[in-house]
Amino acid sequence: AQSVTQPDIHITVSEGASLELRCNYSYGATPYLFWYVQSPGQGLQLLLKYFSGDTLVQGIKGFEAEFKRSQSSFNLRKPSVHWSDAAEYFCAVGARENNDMRFGAGTRLTVKP
Amino acid sequence: KAGVTQTPRYLIKTRGQQVTLSCSPISGHRSVSWYQQTPGQGLQFLFEYFSETQRNKGNFPGRFSGRQFSNSRSEMNVSTLELGDSALYLCASSLRTSDLGGEQFFGPGTRLTVL
Repeated sequence: AQSVTQPDIHITVSEGASLELRCNYSYGATPYLFWYVQSPGQGLQLLLKYFSGDTLVQGIKGFEAEFKRSQSSFNLRKPSVHWSDAAEYFCAVGARENNDMRFGAGTRLTVKP
Repeated sequence: KAGVTQTPRYLIKTRGQQVTLSCSPISGHRSVSWYQQTPGQGLQFLFEYFSETQRNKGNFPGRFSGRQFSNSRSEMNVSTLELGDSALYLCASSLRTSDLGGEQFFGPGTRLTVL
């Protein structure tokens, strides 16, 4: 079965600074890859997804992610972080043939003023 | 288009009781998946229903069960509740086909507290 590793449990960045959240996956074939964001007490909102095609994916709220097959990675980036980006971020990998989606443990982002 | 709705949003039960949670998917979506989220275990896949059939199941005991109705609405049931079942239960719907998964849209979750 597929699995996801998010190496960073907690990251703190200053407002306006750039951000990169790491995600490594394990899956035998080409996966579906996702980044979700969750604010406290809320459900998950999809930031972006990769199914196929261009390996650089643009998402909402100014986020982007790059699929690197050779590194089994799908890191999330944002050039300039806003205070409202403080939340928990989850990377997920899904199998193409079903909806068994596996999530990483999440990275909590704190934004300093 | 309305999003995924889950009811109730909050629930308090005692050990040994059973509970039923409900999920209404986005109109036109035939797949509903359920996840359990806890601080210790993170987000874990429970099961998926597609066209009223359980298509996939995670590694949870038989106390956790579900079903899907002809209108794609889904219910999840947990019997003989344990303290460790306290969690946020998330439902997600997708425009899945019979052999291909798809992007999942999540509801706000049901917060279950077991005392």
